[in-house]
Amino acid sequence: GQNIDQPTEMTATEGAIVQINCTYQTSGFNGLFWYQQHAGEAPTFLSYNVLDGLEEKGRFSSFLSRSKGYSYLLLKELQMKDSASYLCAAMDSNYQLIWGAGTKLIIKP
Amino acid sequence: IAGITQAPTSQILAAGRRMTLRCTQDMRHNAMYWYRQDLGLGLRLIHYSNTAGTTGKGEVPDGYSVSRANTDDFPLTLASAVPSQTSVYFCASSDTDGTDTQYFGPGTRLTVL
Repeated sequence: GQNIDQPTEMTATEGAIVQINCTYQTSGFNGLFWYQQHAGEAPTFLSYNVLDGLEEKGRFSSFLSRSKGYSYLLLKELQMKDSASYLCAAMDSNYQLIWGAGTKLIIKP
Repeated sequence: IAGITQAPTSQILAAGRRMTLRCTQDMRHNAMYWYRQDLGLGLRLIHYSNTAGTTGKGEVPDGYSVSRANTDDFPLTLASAVPSQTSVYFCASSDTDGTDTQYFGPGTRLTVL
């Protein structure tokens, strides 16, 4: 079956760094997406990885290891506005996204 | 401002009633999607359309139907609503049906009593 696992909730301190992990198992693989979703709002795109390695985009970076079925999202210099859910989604061989349940990130001052 | 709009924002519906959720995008994207989001679960694909005139079933299509008469609109219909269809519904679109980023509308919160 197809499955995405990510932690349910994480807590971090303003100004710190946090890493949100995601493991995936899909029928075929066409890339890994990360989205941010603030409470009561729509998901918004953060990153896409299809090749192994680290993609850096400002304070946010995303890493992919295809051989391990593993990705992480790294958030640096945390700000209060980063309090949100972070959704991991893997694209299968039919180009359909398989979504994790999301990781709720709580930022404390 | 380009994007996706959904209507209504929220709705309370009696079980057995018919309901159509509307979705319109002005980005000229070919592919459109309907998802439902329930607490503790990931987004689940209900139906999709790779291009105007074609539709396909996603992971949880039962009880829902869609149509794609033109590029911009992708309505989702619940023929006879049941309480298990209480959820937040998101419409999304992407330039193509491949690895292009999906952009989401603001969502419709539906409660079926």
